[in-house]
Amino acid sequence: AQKVTQAQTEISVVEKEDVTLDCVYETRDTTYYLFWYKQPPSGELVFLIRRNSFDEQNEISGRYSWNFQKSTSSFNFTITASQVVDSAVYFCALSAYNTDKLIFGTGTRLQVFP
Amino acid sequence: DVKVTQSSRYLVKRTGEKVFLECVQDMDHENMFWYRQDPGLGLRLIYFSYDVKMKEKGDIPEGYSVSREKKERFSLILESASTNQTSMYLCASSPTLATGAEAFFGQGTRLTVV
Repeated sequence: AQKVTQAQTEISVVEKEDVTLDCVYETRDTTYYLFWYKQPPSGELVFLIRRNSFDEQNEISGRYSWNFQKSTSSFNFTITASQVVDSAVYFCALSAYNTDKLIFGTGTRLQVFP
Repeated sequence: DVKVTQSSRYLVKRTGEKVFLECVQDMDHENMFWYRQDPGLGLRLIYFSYDVKMKEKGDIPEGYSVSREKKERFSLILESASTNQTSMYLCASSPTLATGAEAFFGQGTRLTVV
């Protein structure tokens, strides 16, 4: 069975603080993909990043960075110097190679205050 | 740009009504998905389809059915709407997930059953 756990329901920070959103996953498959999506107040989910199970390199994109660790089954997301526009719900998701199901975590609501 | 379009942004229906939620994608994607989003529960997969006329149950299919007669269109049907089906419904499409491709989402339909 596949499962994604986002234990942090809601996080509040003040602008310019760094914040890390946690994601822990479960799968028996050896080939799988992990994703992060952002859902701003408008409602439409926006794709942020994809990682495959064979690539444990961390990735940085501007103020965003992702830390993938197979040893702990985690795929954490860090926003550096947060901004008010980062306020959104963030979802971590998992799909396995041999299935076309895309399974989401429960999401983390991030509020960034000025 | 990939576009996934849901027919309605807001819907109000009465208990017992048959409700159709329509979703159209314009990128010739094989896969289409229906999720419902509830506070604290994240996105839960209702049904998905990996080809025309093909469908598979997700995690919460009870009370729902789907139809995919054409590749670009995926309909979610509430046979007899109930108040516990009041929710945000999100449609998504993707190429086959075995390639690690991301899913693209519509803007969501907020359904209220009274």
